[in-house]
Amino acid sequence: ETGVTQSPTHLIKTRGQQVTLRCSSQSGHNTVSWYQQALGQGPQFIFQYYREEENGRGNFPPRFSGLQFPNYSSELNVNALELDDSALYLCASSLDRGWTEAFFGQGTRLTVV
Amino acid sequence: EDQVTQSPEALRLQEGESSSLNCSYTVSGLRGLFWYRQDPGKGPEFLFTLYSAGEEKEKERLKATLTKKESFLHITAPKPEDSATYLCAVQGIRYEKLTFGTGTRLTIIP
Repeated sequence: ETGVTQSPTHLIKTRGQQVTLRCSSQSGHNTVSWYQQALGQGPQFIFQYYREEENGRGNFPPRFSGLQFPNYSSELNVNALELDDSALYLCASSLDRGWTEAFFGQGTRLTVV
Repeated sequence: EDQVTQSPEALRLQEGESSSLNCSYTVSGLRGLFWYRQDPGKGPEFLFTLYSAGEEKEKERLKATLTKKESFLHITAPKPEDSATYLCAVQGIRYEKLTFGTGTRLTIIP
């Protein structure tokens, strides 16, 4: 167990809707990263939050947005859902930005119909 | 752009049959190379970090090695519970992100 928890574990949404996914980071970790993993693919970096500020972003459109709270928990929001957004969404926490080891949660399986 | 290529895509072994998984990479300023294990529908489980060429790390039946262009994950006398997808990732100058390969799906047959 990594101590990184994500909710919900599964979610079904309709195209065009909005979704919010949540992540509680491991105790003592101030950095949270979000990844998208399509079936049969490796995780793709969405963005990272460090001390409540975005600290880097991958090649994802602006309809993917996030927040980090004072307790270092985090949210991933996706607007105007598309069918291709169906994937496993992973949250990873690390001790500090630039710290090499990242520990992942169990993921949220999002299905867009 | 950082890139990671893993081979083979899938590997089936008999229980006790040792083998190696390959991870080839190109990265600007390697900060770390990571191996993760992922079970179906679950998040990746951290296994190893390697920082520089020549480094080796071991954990139970797994041993990871690193050169300047590739890393190997050696599995010695595997058991059915070692069946999983093994992911390789690199962290470079853009230290905030990990770049992953597509993984090797390992099946150990009893």
